[in-house]
Formats: sequence, structure tokens, C-alpha cells
Amino acid sequence: GGIITQTPKFLIGQEGQKLTLKCQQNFNHDTMYWYRQDSGKGLRLIYYSITENDLQKGDLSEGYDASREKKSSFSLTVTSAQKNEMAVFLCASTPGLGQDTQYFGPGTRLLVL
Amino acid sequence: GDSVTQKEGLVTLTEGLPVMLNCTYQTIYSNAFLFWYVHYLNESPRLLLKSSTDNKRTEHQGFHATLHKSSSSFHLQKSSAQLSDSALYYCALRETGNTGKLIFGLGTTLQVQP
Repeated sequence: GGIITQTPKFLIGQEGQKLTLKCQQNFNHDTMYWYRQDSGKGLRLIYYSITENDLQKGDLSEGYDASREKKSSFSLTVTSAQKNEMAVFLCASTPGLGQDTQYFGPGTRLLVL
Repeated sequence: GDSVTQKEGLVTLTEGLPVMLNCTYQTIYSNAFLFWYVHYLNESPRLLLKSSTDNKRTEHQGFHATLHKSSSSFHLQKSSAQLSDSALYYCALRETGNTGKLIFGLGTTLQVQP
């Protein structure tokens, strides 16, 4: 088995601030994903990475940057936090592109004051 | 393009009653692959069921679903709801072209009351 950890668990930021969220997995999976979860809006894909050093934009990439520094880690940066923004960011991984099951981390809860 | 529809945002029912959460999808891909993920409060979302086989019932942890390609549906069912089934349920479709990306529905919150 394996695990996905996300840090921090809670993130409180200020409007306009640059904020970075981190994700680590020890499954040795190739592909990793970042989703944003908003109430009533489902899970929306922000960025994904097929393998180390690869980056692919999802449907919600505007306002975000991502970095796949090594196979086990995938970071997401909110380039300029929006006032009153509140969302959960979920990281996931799969063994490879096209592999079925996505394994999710516990999430980072963001609140922008 | 591909899409998933979960019409109910919230389903509230009494313990012991049957559960049915609706999921329909749209895709041009003949080999549709559908998933149900469950997200319990304070836990990570996890896979509940998946199927790509037409008209075959798939079961796990008391839940079941059957992919019906003729009606583009993959409804989640359980014969008797338990309080512990209260969670957020997502239906998802693997995107056409085998990119590995999943397209999620908006989610249905199931609240089971005593």
C-alpha cells in the first residue's frame, strides 16, 4: 500500500498572496493530479503531470502554477489569492496515464481573508 | 465533449430505505469507463465502484451499479441505507482518448437520518 500526504492541512492567506501547496506520494506512481473541490461544483482539474518534470493544464489552470520536482512530489501554487476564496485542494495519483483508479490525498483547505 | 450529470445535489433519506443516486454521462467513446468515488467527511475520496462492461452489475461494500450504455447511465444503488453511508458521492467518466483524465459530476451528498 501507499499514502498521499498533503501539506499544509489548512492554509489561511491574504488577498494577493502567493500560496504553495505540496503533495507527496509513496506509491511510486507516475501520474499526479491537482483538483479543486468547491461545494456544488464537483472536482475540477487544475493541473496534472504524466511523469517527472511534465506538466499539463487542466480546465481550471488560470491563476495557478504547478511543479513536478520529482516523481514523488507535485506542488501547486496559487499565484494571487482572491479575497474570500474558500476551497479544498485535492491531490491524486495513478500508476500511469490511462490507469484506472485515482488515489487521493486528504486535501488542503484554503481560506483567503 | 464528454460530460457527467448528477442531477441531485442532496439526497436525504431514512436509515433502512433503499438508496439510488443517479448518474448519466455523455461521450463519443464507445468504450465508456465509469466510476463512483465516495468522500466521507475528514477522509480522502476513494474509489467505490468502476465498470466498463455493458449491463454487468458491479458490487462493493453493499453498493452496486450497472453500466447501461443504451441509456448512458451508471446509477449507484444500495438496498438499505445506513447512517455510515452519509457522504459525498461523485460519478466520474474517463475522458475520451485515454488521457487518463477523469471528468467528475457535481457530486451528490447523501444524508441518512435515523
